[in-house]
Order: sequence, then C-alpha cells, then structure tokens
Amino acid sequence: GDSVTQMEGPVTLSEEAFLTINCTYTATGYPSLFWYVQYPGEGLQLLLKATKADDKGSNKGFEATYRKETTSFHLEKGSVQVSDSAVYFCAIRWSGGFKTIFGAGTRLFVKA
Amino acid sequence: KAGVTQTPRYLIKTRGQQVTLSCSPISGHRSVSWYQQTPGQGLQFLFEYFSETQRNKGNFPGRFSGRQFSNSRSEMNVSTLELGDSALYLCASSLGEGQGASEQFFGPGTRLTVL
Repeated sequence: GDSVTQMEGPVTLSEEAFLTINCTYTATGYPSLFWYVQYPGEGLQLLLKATKADDKGSNKGFEATYRKETTSFHLEKGSVQVSDSAVYFCAIRWSGGFKTIFGAGTRLFVKA
Repeated sequence: KAGVTQTPRYLIKTRGQQVTLSCSPISGHRSVSWYQQTPGQGLQFLFEYFSETQRNKGNFPGRFSGRQFSNSRSEMNVSTLELGDSALYLCASSLGEGQGASEQFFGPGTRLTVL
C-alpha cells in the first residue's frame, strides 16, 4: 500500500550545522509531496511542496526535490538555527484523492 | 485571510461520554480533513469531506463520525469515549479541486483528554 517513511529522530544538531531529514515514499500514481513543521503546542504548518518530478520546493532556507526515480523527498537546510527546533513531517497527497499520508515525523533539536 | 479555526482548543471528558469538535475552514475552501495525533501512533487520517460528502475514511471505529455543512464548516463526533481517544485532533482545509487543490492548511487542534 501507499506509505511514507522518514528517518527516525530525534536529530540533534548544533547551530549552523547542515540538516538532512530523509523521506521516501511508496505511492500509486503521481502524488504531490509536502513537508510540514509542527512547533510545540501548535498545529502543522506547510513548509514546502513539490507537485511533479524534479520540482524543488523551498522556503525559509529549507529545500527538497521531488525525486521520482528514487521515490524520495529529502529535506535539507544549509545552516540550522535554534528556532528550527520542531517536528518535521513528510507527506504525500493526490489531487482529487482526498487523503494524505504522513510519515511518523522527525523531531529536530538545535543547540546554541 | 483568516486561517483554519478549531473549537474548543481544550476539552476534558470522562469515559463513556461523547464529544463534538468543530472546524471552520479558510474562506473558499471546500474540503475539510480530520486527523488524530498521538505520541504512539503519530498522525492518523480520520476522514475527509468535500461539498458536504465524505470522500474518504481512515481505519477508525464507527464511534468516530463527522459531517460537513453547506458553508464548509465541519464537525466530528466521538461517542462512548475511551481512554485511548485522548489525543490532539487536527483539522485541515484545502480547495478540494483545481490547481493547488492538494495543499492543506491546518488548524491549531483540539486537545481532548479522556479521564
């Protein structure tokens, strides 16, 4: 069946370190891919998205590229800040499919 | 543009009771989804409504139900509450069709505690 697999956390980094959070998926058809971020006590916020193969989504220094050949959508940031500490969710959703599948989430801690 | 609103934000109930949660989507959005978030199970899909019709449903017992009104507002109901129903319930809205239909916007959630 359709699924999303994220690297397990928590991930602990020092400020200004490089971040990669891996995400791979199994899906029929051609879903759109998303990264969401959840700060403590809040709902999910859309971080970035990509709707077709080779699309690169970017926002607030975060980037991810839709890799159809490897069914991956890894999240990267060149220099993390303490304020990036949160839980990150990878997700897939089909236009007109009325369902979203989320990964388990990866908790990121950034130390000053 | 106002975001997705959920009421109430916090709720405490006892086993056996029932509860109704409300979600108001972003203006113009016709699709509303509900998710249950727990530390052990992560984010689990409950159901999604579009134009007052349930379009998809997750693997939850019949105690969990929902509906959508003509103004796209949605409610979900949980009857005969169990301790395991304690969770953060998240609502998300999207256009539901057309370009950008797949992009969802989430509300802050309702934290339900069952004692």
